[in-house]
This record gives sequence, structure tokens and C-alpha cells, in this order.
Amino acid sequence: EDKVVQSPLSLVVHEGDTVTLNCSYEVTNFRSLLWYKQEKKAPTFLFMLTSSGIEKKSGRLSSILDKKELSSILNITATQTGDSAIYLCAVEAEGNTGKLIFGQGTTLQVKP
Amino acid sequence: NAGVTQTPKFQVLKTGQSMTLQCAQDMNHNSMYWYRQDPGMGLRLIYYSASEGTTDKGEVPNGYNVSRLNKREFSLRLESAAPSQTSVYFCASSEIWPGQFDAYTFGSGTRLTVV
Repeated sequence: EDKVVQSPLSLVVHEGDTVTLNCSYEVTNFRSLLWYKQEKKAPTFLFMLTSSGIEKKSGRLSSILDKKELSSILNITATQTGDSAIYLCAVEAEGNTGKLIFGQGTTLQVKP
Repeated sequence: NAGVTQTPKFQVLKTGQSMTLQCAQDMNHNSMYWYRQDPGMGLRLIYYSASEGTTDKGEVPNGYNVSRLNKREFSLRLESAAPSQTSVYFCASSEIWPGQFDAYTFGSGTRLTVV
């Protein structure tokens, strides 16, 4: 059975800290891994990582895919209170359907 | 830029009642999805429609039906609501080409409570 596991499930840090969120997967036909940020409502897209693009960066956020270890990390440097959210990892594992398997999510709280 | 529009935003049902959640996208995407989100369980796929005219079951389809009315609209129906269907429901759409997949655009969600 395909599955995606995130850790930790929750995290509390102070502004300025650096955090690392983890995502591991077991799927039979890996195609891509995605990270989303979810605040009050709908998840918003952060990164997509594939075999041809294993590292992405946008401002203070960066992500790396380790295909050997079947995992990915999401790093956030110099955290701000606006980074407080649920971070979701998802894997596309079946061709031409777009079906995503989501992890449980990591809830990040950044305190002032 | 409307993106993906879901209605209603909130709903309270009594056990046994039926209702339809509506979803429409204006991005001309070919694929649409319904997920439910429960605390500690991430998002789980209920049904999806890879293209207009097709629908398929996801991970948790029991108790639900769907209709892909046209390319824009994908509705989710609860025929006889149960308390276990209390959840937040998200509709999403994406564009898929052979060998390539575009990240989802999500609707703002429907918070459903079944009492």
C-alpha cells in the first residue's frame, strides 16, 4: 500500500529559528513529490520535486528530494509568525491521473 | 481570477439527509478531484475525474457519489449522511499531459458537520 509519512506532526519554534520538516514515502511508481502550505483554508502550492528537479528554493524556503532514501525535507530559515501553518507533503504515484497521496501534515507554530 | 469555487462553505446536516457539494473551475483543467481532510489524517482522495466524462474511485469512496457535469463542474453527493462524514471537503483541479502533471489548485473548502 502506498503511503506518505511526515515528521514531526507538530512543532513550536520562535521567530528567527530554522526548521526542517521531513517527508518519507513508500510508493510503487514514484513520479513527483509536492509540498503545500495550508493556513486557514485551502492548501497553496510551494514546490514540486521530480527526478529531474531534486532541489528547489524560494526565498527562505527550500526543499530537497532524496530518491535513494525515499524522502524529502522542507527547510524554512529565519522563521516568521506568518510561517505558522500546516505543511503538507504529497506524492504523485500513478501515471496520468494526477492522484496525490498526502501525508498527515506537520503543524508549525512560530511564536514571536 | 476565480480559480476553483466550492459551495457551500459551511453545512450542518442531520443523519440520513442528503446534499450535493458543488465545485467549478475556470482554468480549463481536464482533471478534478474531491478530497476530505480530517485531523491527523492529511487529505484523502474520495473520487477523481481524470477527464471530462470519466470518474473513478479514490481511497475513501464509500457513502459518496460524483458527477462530472462538464469540463468545468464536478459535484460530490452524500446520499445519506452519517456522522463519520463530518469533515472538511476540498475540491481541486489540475492539468495533466502524458508524462507531466501540474500542481493542484484547491477550492476554499466546505466544512460539513453531520449530527
